[in-house]
Amino acid sequence: AQTVTQSQPEMSVQEAETVTLSCTYDTSENNYYLFWYKQPPSRQMILVIRQEAYKQQNATENRFSVNFQKAAKSFSLKISDSQLGDTAMYFCAFMKHAPIMNAGGTSYGKLTFGQGTILTVHP
Amino acid sequence: SQTIHQWPATLVQPVGSPLSLECTVEGTSNPNLYWYRQAAGRGLQLLFYSVGIGQISSEVPQNLSASRPQDRQFILSSKKLLLSDSGFYLCAWKARVGTDTQYFGPGTRLTVL
Repeated sequence: AQTVTQSQPEMSVQEAETVTLSCTYDTSENNYYLFWYKQPPSRQMILVIRQEAYKQQNATENRFSVNFQKAAKSFSLKISDSQLGDTAMYFCAFMKHAPIMNAGGTSYGKLTFGQGTILTVHP
Repeated sequence: SQTIHQWPATLVQPVGSPLSLECTVEGTSNPNLYWYRQAAGRGLQLLFYSVGIGQISSEVPQNLSASRPQDRQFILSSKKLLLSDSGFYLCAWKARVGTDTQYFGPGTRLTVL
């Protein structure tokens, strides 16, 4: 079974500064996906960024980037130029590469989440 | 574009009462559908997933059940609620092929008293 660990329950950062959120995971799989989701006070889960394990290049989405270290099983999120709207809980999540559908049904597209990191951006 | 709806947004129910939460997806066909529960504002736990009408897989044995009567409709039910069923329930969808990303609905906050 896969596990995802976020060791920082809470983080804070000043507006316009950079912050890095940590995530480690444990798996015996070789093909998988990693995600960062954001949950603002509205509690809707919003995809921030995704990484495919077979890609060595780190994913980037505007101010958000990841540092993916496959051998170390580490997947950190860097937020540059932090904005007040970045205040939220951030979840790291793992998904095994989806197998071909079969009649027996397997864990198709199951996300395993970490416990989350509450990020507060101060003005 | 695709949208996902959940209702109700908030629900307060007495212990022992039945439950029905609904999730619908628009703008896509044959999606995979998922029910998650988030307790105490922390990590999400997958409860059920469905790859087609009438096809339900349970991840955690519990007091809840799920059904998928239509392609884009996913229902979470209980015959008798327990205090421990309180939490925030999120529905998500994923395209059957072509993508690995799940997209979440706005959620339902359930309080069992």
